[in-house]
Amino acid sequence: GDSVTQMEGPVTLSEEAFLTINCTYTATGYPSLFWYVQYPGEGLQLLLKATKADDKGSNKGFEATYRKETTSFHLEKGSVQVSDSAVYFCALSASGYSTLTFGKGTMLLVSP
Amino acid sequence: NAGVTQTPKFQVLKTGQSMTLQCAQDMNHEYMSWYRQDPGMGLRLIHYSVGAGITDQGEVPNGYNVSRSTTEDFPLRLLSAAPSQTSVYFCASSPAGGTAYQETQYFGPGTRLLVL
Repeated sequence: GDSVTQMEGPVTLSEEAFLTINCTYTATGYPSLFWYVQYPGEGLQLLLKATKADDKGSNKGFEATYRKETTSFHLEKGSVQVSDSAVYFCALSASGYSTLTFGKGTMLLVSP
Repeated sequence: NAGVTQTPKFQVLKTGQSMTLQCAQDMNHEYMSWYRQDPGMGLRLIHYSVGAGITDQGEVPNGYNVSRSTTEDFPLRLLSAAPSQTSVYFCASSPAGGTAYQETQYFGPGTRLLVL
């Protein structure tokens, strides 16, 4: 079946540091890939997505590129802020459906 | 436009009790889903619906029941609550169409359930 593996946290960074959260996937066909973010006490909201190979999703300074050859969708940000502290989920949606398979989530803690 | 709403926000149940978690959306989305979130497990799909009158099981359906009589509402029923159902429950919705798997899912704020 489909699966998503992302690096375990917490990831602890100082403000303005570079962020990478690794995500790899297993799926049949050509899934869509997503990063969702969950701020403390809230639901999930879409951060960015990519729907085909080599697409780059970007939002709020975050970027991720859909790499089919390495089955990866790593999340990056050049300079994190304290307000980026949250849990980040990598997810995929397989062709034909609109349900998501999630990774376990990575907590990011950014200190001033 | 309220998006996806869920009630209640928090609930405590005793083992064996039943209850219904409510979910509603005002975006006219065809797809609706229920997920549960447990520490270290990410989110797992319980049940989903591709339209009124159509539902199907997800990864962890046991102990839960759903129905979809309208486009707007997708309640989740716990038939006989067990401590293993202590979790945070999220409802989500998304548009349908030929490229439904590319669509963004919109999540509600969640219901935190404690089963004693």
